[in-house]
Amino acid sequence: EIVLTQSPGTLSLSPGERATLSCRASQSVSSSYLAWYQQKPGQAPRLLIYGASSRATGIPDRFSGSGSGTDFTLTISRLEPEDFAVYYCQHYGRSRWTFGQGTKVEIK
Amino acid sequence: EVRLVESGGTLVKPGGSLRLSCAASGFTFSAYTINWVRQAPGRGLEWVSSISISSSYIYYADSVKGRFTLSRDDAKNSLYLRMNSLRAEDTAVYYCARGGLGRLDIWGQGTMVTVSS
Repeated sequence: EIVLTQSPGTLSLSPGERATLSCRASQSVSSSYLAWYQQKPGQAPRLLIYGASSRATGIPDRFSGSGSGTDFTLTISRLEPEDFAVYYCQHYGRSRWTFGQGTKVEIK
Repeated sequence: EVRLVESGGTLVKPGGSLRLSCAASGFTFSAYTINWVRQAPGRGLEWVSSISISSSYIYYADSVKGRFTLSRDDAKNSLYLRMNSLRAEDTAVYYCARGGLGRLDIWGQGTMVTVSS
């Protein structure tokens, strides 16, 4: 069973700063099946990135994804006020969907 | 507009049963795998179950296997999750989500299930 570990648990940053979120898999996974989601309080998750680096429809280009094997990164180049939220990475494999525990990006 | 709308969540006693529904609109429902994902209060996301096109394959998380049953009615563009032998740890917001190519691209707004005496 693949385990996804996200770090840090909380990231305290100011608007305009760069955010770098990490997702580490317990074993090598296919980049094709690695995705990132954003969730705001009281809302459903929203797909941001799929295939490790492809932006979903309507997602601003300040969001980017990278990585391969066991290490993946979500980068927000310049934080906007609406970007403060919880972010989850997710992997699909062997008919199972696995999520990381989430990283909260909060206003410093 | 592509949309998923969940319903059926409520307060239920431990050991009780419940059926959740998910109604789809704005896309060809029968052409997609659909999933349930839940989120306990203050916690992260947990995949619960998936049903493939034509109900050919149905998968469950170990935590619900044997207690939950997933089905779909393509004629009604609807998905159903039958939940039996409910436990306190099943308390969560339940989301249905459209899946494909390793990503969940459309999510409903969720329905809350509370298991408590």
